[in-house]
Parts: sequence; C-alpha cells; structure tokens
Amino acid sequence: LAKTTQPISMDSYEGQEVNITCSHNNIATNDYITWYQQFPSQGPRFIIQGYKTKVTNEVASLFIPADRKSSTLSLPRVSLSDTAVYYCLVGVINAGNMLTFGGGTRLMVKP
Amino acid sequence: EAGVAQSPRYKIIEKRQSVAFWCNPISGHATLYWYQQILGQGPKLLIQFQNNGVVDDSQLPKDRFSAERLKGVDSTLKIQPAKLEDSAVYLCASTFWTGHTSSYNEQFFGPGTRLTVL
Repeated sequence: LAKTTQPISMDSYEGQEVNITCSHNNIATNDYITWYQQFPSQGPRFIIQGYKTKVTNEVASLFIPADRKSSTLSLPRVSLSDTAVYYCLVGVINAGNMLTFGGGTRLMVKP
Repeated sequence: EAGVAQSPRYKIIEKRQSVAFWCNPISGHATLYWYQQILGQGPKLLIQFQNNGVVDDSQLPKDRFSAERLKGVDSTLKIQPAKLEDSAVYLCASTFWTGHTSSYNEQFFGPGTRLTVL
C-alpha cells in the first residue's frame, strides 16, 4: 500500500477555501486516492475519491496531477462545522481492506 | 437507512480484566471491519470479515484479542486480558463489497467504543 504524507494541522477562517495536499510518491497504477473526514467522537466518513485529473461532488473537489504523486482536497468556503481530521488514503479500489490510515490533517476553522 | 451500531459507547476497566464490544453493521453489508484508533492517530485495521469468514487478521494481537461473526451479521471483539496500551477507540465499519465487484467499497463507520484501561 502506498504511504501518504499530509500536513499535521491547518488553520483557516470561515468562508475561506481550504486546500489540503497529500503526497503519495509510490502510488501504484491500480491505486485510487480517497479522502475521509472524521469529527470528534465519530467514525470516519467518506468524502471523495478519484484516480486522475479532477473530481467534484457536493462537498469537495479533488485535484490529481498527471503524475499522480500528490493530490489536493479542496473545501470551498469552509464553516466552523468543517473542523475535523481529514485522511488521505491510497489503495486498490476493489480490495476490501484498502483503508490504511495515516495521521491525517487536523483542520481548525476559526470564526 | 440505519447506520452501523456499536455498544457500549464507553467502557472503563482495570488491566487484566476482560471486555467485549458489539457491532451491528448496515443491513446487507457482507464485509465488516474492526479498527483500533489510539488518541491522536488514524484508525488501524485489526480484522476484516467477509460474511462469517476472516479475510485479514494480520494486525490482530491474537494472544489477547479475538473476534467473531458467527452468522455473518453481528460481530463481537473481545480483549482478554486487557493491557494499559489497549486504551483506544474501537471502530466497527461495514461495506457492501462482496469481493467480486470493482465498484468502490465505501466503508461506513460506527461511532466507536471508547475503552479506558486503568
């Protein structure tokens, strides 16, 4: 499984766009990039997944450059409720045990 | 639809005691996982079931941890005897993945059981 590196923490203010970058230099051809969000006292929750270029859903966007050695999760106009830990994971899409979590990025949104 | 249910939500025990956690996955989800999350760290997979069979238990400390999913639905995770370093949140997750599809197997997590070993 590819190892991922993310910033330990980030601060932002309400209404700003937040970009969290994840490095995965040894990503394999069959690997997908997935992001999960975890609030305090809750289990992680799926946010978005992609293989290349750009993926957008109602919550976030995921940008993946051509070499796929990194990816950026973009959260538009964050609010206080976006304060959470965000995990970047890399693995094979059809493997049931693809979720190997790193330390994640602790995002603090301030008023 | 109902989410993944776990109980108890909190448990405090003394070292060398035994403890058990229960998980009820989302209806129809064939695959069930147990994770251990130590404070400040990401979750670590302990064991994965597909129906009532074990797929991966390579990170389960088998000298003290055991898990079962007898009827392919509910699951229990047991620690006997507990050590101080077992203090953590134990998360259960489930997914529809049956091992034969190529669609993404999003994992749905329960709220977890917070274990404190004194």
